[in-house]
Amino acid sequence: NAGVTQTPKFRVLKTGQSMTLLCAQDMNHEYMYWYRQDPGMGLRLIHYSVGEGTTAKGEVPDGYNVSRLKKQNFLLGLESAAPSQTSVYFCASSYSGSRKAGNTIYFGEGSWLTVV
Amino acid sequence: GIQVEQSPPDLILQEGANSTLRCNFSDSVNNLQWFHQNPWGQLINLFYIPSGTKQNGRLSATTVATERYSLLYISSSQTTDSGVYFCAAPTSGTYKYIFGTGTRLKVLA
Repeated sequence: NAGVTQTPKFRVLKTGQSMTLLCAQDMNHEYMYWYRQDPGMGLRLIHYSVGEGTTAKGEVPDGYNVSRLKKQNFLLGLESAAPSQTSVYFCASSYSGSRKAGNTIYFGEGSWLTVV
Repeated sequence: GIQVEQSPPDLILQEGANSTLRCNFSDSVNNLQWFHQNPWGQLINLFYIPSGTKQNGRLSATTVATERYSLLYISSSQTTDSGVYFCAAPTSGTYKYIFGTGTRLKVLA
């Protein structure tokens, strides 16, 4: 049981390049989230999904796109990377449908992205 | 949307001391969670606590939803407790979890 897995862990991009971050969870969770964390700051929600085929905007969605074609995967895309998108990106998931389990959020280990 | 504020922003303790971290939220919530981010960046869920009190070892948490705050208690602190503590709550009627700015804790040996 791997939990929440993010790939890649580290990436350096040039301004204007595109890339996709992949998040995979094996807990059969309905909800998935992408956050970014800048140095010394809290986490800000980029996009989230409440089920397969659904996505919704978070606090800072501009410059990012997401897709949830399969329940276990949530992809975050940067179409034209900018230095302001240099950050650590965290994927998270929650809610297996069990009321007893509640909506506890589980995080991946993070993906360090640098845009030069 | 909901605003989540944490205090204090920074805290330095001697090993063995107790501490209380506070999380205030601007709207009624049916869910609140506490997390610990260790010095290596890993985020671990400590409590899922929409209301009431829960305990897990030296840590406990209390949420008073009607008064819009939650407290995290750390007793007999250890150096391994160092890191940043975050609380998070969803905007009403959604699963859009908003995080506070965190309390940075350093426990000295």
